Amino acid sequence: EIVLTQSPGTLSLSPGERVTLSCRASQSVSSSYLAWYQQKPGQAPRLLLYGASSRATGIPDRFTGSGSGTDFTLTISRLEPEDFAVYYCQHYGSSPRTFGPGTKVDIK
Amino acid sequence: EVQLSESGGGLVQPGGSLRLSCAASGFTFSSYGMSWVRQAPGKGLEWVSGISGSGGSSGSTYYGESVKGRFTISRDNSKNTLYLQMNSLRAEDTAVYYCAKERGSIRGGMDVWGQGTTVTV
Repeated sequence: EIVLTQSPGTLSLSPGERVTLSCRASQSVSSSYLAWYQQKPGQAPRLLLYGASSRATGIPDRFTGSGSGTDFTLTISRLEPEDFAVYYCQHYGSSPRTFGPGTKVDIK
Repeated sequence: EVQLSESGGGLVQPGGSLRLSCAASGFTFSSYGMSWVRQAPGKGLEWVSGISGSGGSSGSTYYGESVKGRFTISRDNSKNTLYLQMNSLRAEDTAVYYCAKERGSIRGGMDVWGQGTTVTV
């Protein structure tokens, strides 16, 4: 089973700031089968990125993904008020398709 | 409009069973992989199970370690419905259960989610 570790656990930031979230896998994620999701309280998760760097439909270009192998990054270039949420990475290259524990981005 | 709608959640005693359903609309259900993901109260996301669609070893199933042997995923493409049969339920299975559509016939990232149904054990 691939274990995903996300850091930091929580980030307190202000609107307009740039944020970089990390996701590290315990073993290489095949073909960059790595996705990022955003979840707000009381809502279902929303797919942001798949294939490590491809934006899902309707996702603004301030969200950028990068990485390969065991190290992946989600960058939000300029935080908007609606971006304060929890972010999860997930690998889907093999079963079980585990999630990371999440990074909470809250308002400073 | 692409939609998923879960049902079947509720309160069940430890050791009991429950079957969740997920009705799909707005897309060619049979073509896509589908998954169940759960979230315990105040906790993160846990992938529970997946099933492939046509074109991808149709009907192949996949499970998380914590539910293997107890839960069974299935689909009825004629009814555009996904199921999760949950047996031998434990307190730690208490969670909101989401069904989700995969981008591909097996996997690819989950691009459509239901609103979730709550299971309390």
